[in-house]
Amino acid sequence: EAEVAQSPRYKITEKSQAVAFWCDPISGHATLYWYRQILGQGPELLVQFQDESVVDDSQLPKDRFSAERLKGVDSTLKIQPAELGDSAMYLCASSSTGNGNTIYFGEGSWLTVV
Amino acid sequence: GESVGLHLPTLSVQEGDNSIINCAYSNSASDYFIWYKQESGKGPQFIIDIRSNMDKRQGQRVTVLLNKTVKHLSLQIAATQPGDSAVYFCAETPGTYKYIFGTGTRLKVLA
Repeated sequence: EAEVAQSPRYKITEKSQAVAFWCDPISGHATLYWYRQILGQGPELLVQFQDESVVDDSQLPKDRFSAERLKGVDSTLKIQPAELGDSAMYLCASSSTGNGNTIYFGEGSWLTVV
Repeated sequence: GESVGLHLPTLSVQEGDNSIINCAYSNSASDYFIWYKQESGKGPQFIIDIRSNMDKRQGQRVTVLLNKTVKHLSLQIAATQPGDSAVYFCAETPGTYKYIFGTGTRLKVLA
């Protein structure tokens, strides 16, 4: 069964350091999402790509967060500098199209900022 | 603003009983709904979905009911098993590409 792959699964970093997460969506899925999930809450969208283009990054803190999907396949989410409040699970998801279709999540990347 | 919420943050059910998890949504334009199961430390796992032109959909041991009149969604799990213990999220798409998630309900299965 095809899966969304994410790495690393766990990351501990000191505040003010840079951290990056990688995602490989399900093959053929044009739409890729990065969500942030704080413990006990539902996922919140950070950025959405359609192929290599950003279609929604309205909730992405652009002063410290960046995301790219250069070839329209895998994607990287970067945080620089990390802050204590960034501690959360970062989930990548993909779907075959962006509207009205099931999105499938990866296992997530846990970030702890100390 | 737009929101998807759940009535009960924690639901405890005896093993073998049926579980019902509820979700209220606020956007009448939403036309697609998904239920996800999230186990501790893992990403959300798709369970079942339903489109707004339906009011009921059944899967293996799960049924989703949609009541558009009162903007209510429910997930029914038959013969609840210990492996069903998790947090369950509903999500809606209000006619756009956005998926809006609620805060989740924790299901605890008692032996």
